Amino acid sequence: AQSVTQPDIHITVSEGASLELRCNYSYGATPYLFWYVQSPGQGLQLLLKYFSGDTLVQGIKGFEAEFKRSQSSFNLRKPSVHWSDAAEYFCALAGNQFYFGTGTSLTVIP
Amino acid sequence: EAGVAQSPRYKIIEKRQSVAFWCNPISGHATLYWYQQILGQGPKLLIQFQNNGVVDDSQLPKDRFSAERLKGVDSTLKIQPAKLEDSAVYLCASSLIASGSYEQYFGPGTRLTVT
Repeated sequence: AQSVTQPDIHITVSEGASLELRCNYSYGATPYLFWYVQSPGQGLQLLLKYFSGDTLVQGIKGFEAEFKRSQSSFNLRKPSVHWSDAAEYFCALAGNQFYFGTGTSLTVIP
Repeated sequence: EAGVAQSPRYKIIEKRQSVAFWCNPISGHATLYWYQQILGQGPKLLIQFQNNGVVDDSQLPKDRFSAERLKGVDSTLKIQPAKLEDSAVYLCASSLIASGSYEQYFGPGTRLTVT
C-alpha cells in the first residue's frame, strides 16, 4: 500500500524565520516525491520533485527538500519565510497512483 | 505556453441535479487527470486518461460520475445525480506522458457547491 502523511495540519511562523514542513510516505519501492503549493483560489504549483540521485533537492521560490529513505521522509524547508509563502502545502507520491497528503496550512505573521 | 483551462470556475446546484465540468489540457500533453479536493483534504485522483483511453478510474464513483476525453484532447467530467457530499473543488491536470516522473500541471479548478 502507498500513502502520504503530513503530520502538521497548520503551522504558524514569523516572517524571516526558517520553515520545515514534514512529509512521511509509505511505498514498497523507490518513490517519486513532490511538493506542491496551493494559494487560495489557485491551482497547485509544483515546488520541487525527487526522482533519484542527490537526496537534497532544490526547488522554486527558495524551497528545498531532503529525501531520507531510512526515515521514509521528504521534508520541505526554507531558510527565511516571506509573507507571500502563506498557502497550503501538499506532499505527493507517484507510485501505482498519484497520492497527495492532506496538506499543511502555513500562516506567516509579521 | 497556455496552462490547463477549466470551466466553469464556480457552480452551485441542488442535490439530484446534474452538472458537467470541462477541461482543456496543455497542448501536446497526452495524459489528463481529474481530481476531487474536498475542503481540508488533499486532492484525490478520480480518473486518469492516456490520450483518449482510461488508465485508472478505480476511485471514480461510477454510479454517478462519468468522464470522457474525446479525440484525446478536451475532457468532460459529469455528475448525475449530485449528492451533498460531492461539494468539492474539481481539479484537472495534465502531463506530457503517464509517468510519475513527469510533472503534472494543474488548472485553477471548479468549485462545486451542492445544496
